[in-house]
Amino acid sequence: QVQLVESGGGVVQPGRSLRLSCAASGFTFSSYGMHWVRQAPGKGLEWVAVIWFDGSNKYYADSVKGRFTISRDNSKNTLYLQMNSLRTEDTAVYYCAKEGNDVLTGLNTGFDYWGQGTLVTVSS
Amino acid sequence: SYELTQPPSVSVSPGQTASITCSGDKLGDKYTYWYQQKPGQSPVLVIYQDTNRPSGIPERFSGSNSGNTATLTISGTQAMDETDYYCQAWDSSSVVFGGGTKLTVL
Repeated sequence: QVQLVESGGGVVQPGRSLRLSCAASGFTFSSYGMHWVRQAPGKGLEWVAVIWFDGSNKYYADSVKGRFTISRDNSKNTLYLQMNSLRTEDTAVYYCAKEGNDVLTGLNTGFDYWGQGTLVTVSS
Repeated sequence: SYELTQPPSVSVSPGQTASITCSGDKLGDKYTYWYQQKPGQSPVLVIYQDTNRPSGIPERFSGSNSGNTATLTISGTQAMDETDYYCQAWDSSSVVFGGGTKLTVL
C-alpha cells in the first residue's frame, strides 16, 4: 500500500535552516509529481511547492519562494524540502502529498495520498 | 494571485443535504478538488475533477462546478461527516486551496 512518511521536523530559531524528508513506498515514485503542503496551527491548508516526476520543474508559493527548495531522489524514493531563513510564520505541520493522475487521460486526479505530517516550530 | 473563497461554516441537520461552495474567478474553467480533514488527521481526497469520487468514498459525496462556483454536496449527511472541508484548484503551475469550511451536523 502507498505510504508517505515525513521526518525532519522540530524546533528551530528564526533565520535558521531545516530539511524535511518524505520517504515514499508502495508506488512507482519516479512516475508522479510530489508536493509539500503545510498547515499552521488552527489554520487551513497552504500549498508550498511541487516537483515534477523527473525533477525537471519546480514551482513554489510566493510565501516561500527564494527561501525553500524542493528536491527529490528517485533512486531513494525520497522527497525533500530544504527550508532556509525560517520565519515564525513558517510554523506549521508540513505534509508531503502524492499527485495522482488518470492512467488513460493523464489528467491530474488530485492529491490522492498524504503523509501524516511533521511539525516545524520556528521560535526563539 | 488566484483566490478560492469558502464559507467558514455550514450547518446541516442529520439526514439532510449539505452544500459547501467554493468561489473563484472563472472557476468553472478549471477542475476543482475537495478534501475532508478530520481533527488531528491528514486530508483525504473526496472529489476530483469536479465530479468524480475516489474509490472508497461514499456515494453521498458529489460535486459540481460551473461559472464561478464549485459545490460539494453531501446527501443524507451523517454525524461522521462533521469536520473541515477544503476545495483546491490549479492556477497555472501553482496550487490554490480555499480557506476551508467547517461542517456542523446538528
